[in-house]
Amino acid sequence: AQSVTQPDIHITVSEGASLELRCNYSYGATPYLFWYVQSPGQGLQLLLKYFSGDTLVQGIKGFEAEFKRSQSSFNLRKPSVHWSDAAEYFCAVTTDSWGKLQFGAGTQVVVTP
Amino acid sequence: KAGVTQTPRYLIKTRGQQVTLSCSPISGHRSVSWYQQTPGQGLQFLFEYFSETQRNKGNFPGRFSGRQFSNSRSEMNVSTLELGDSALYLCASSPTGNEQYFGPGTRLTVT
Repeated sequence: AQSVTQPDIHITVSEGASLELRCNYSYGATPYLFWYVQSPGQGLQLLLKYFSGDTLVQGIKGFEAEFKRSQSSFNLRKPSVHWSDAAEYFCAVTTDSWGKLQFGAGTQVVVTP
Repeated sequence: KAGVTQTPRYLIKTRGQQVTLSCSPISGHRSVSWYQQTPGQGLQFLFEYFSETQRNKGNFPGRFSGRQFSNSRSEMNVSTLELGDSALYLCASSPTGNEQYFGPGTRLTVT
């Protein structure tokens, strides 16, 4: 069965430290991959996407993600987190050219001073 | 460009009632998708419309329905509400389908 896994439910990171959020997927074909962020009481904001080509993609707010086909992973990274990065992060996957995103369970990121 | 708008933002209904939620996509976007977000089940796909046609449907009972109008605005309807329908309902629009931009959501509470 197709699945998207975010192994870490909760991550605490110090302000200024680096952040890496993991995402693994199980799909037959190479999917389209996305990372979204959700602040409390808000909708989802698209951080970045991977469709094809360069496996290292840059997004907004200083985030980047790397697609590794051999590991079926699409991990999100940020070199130096800011207090405003505290939020919930979702990895999403689809193999369709039209909408039916399958989301991971999310990773809650807490930023400490 | 203005983002995706959803109305109302908050709603309280009683079991057995029905509810209609509205979504206005980003200008020029023809695809609108709906998702339900709950603490227990996470984000789940409801359905997707493109040019007034439902292209994709998730695993929800027939009480959940939707439609899209010629101006790409979309509505979803839930009939005979149950307590378990309490959730954040998110609408997303896309120019083609897979790159989706989300609205702020409608928080539905069923009592």
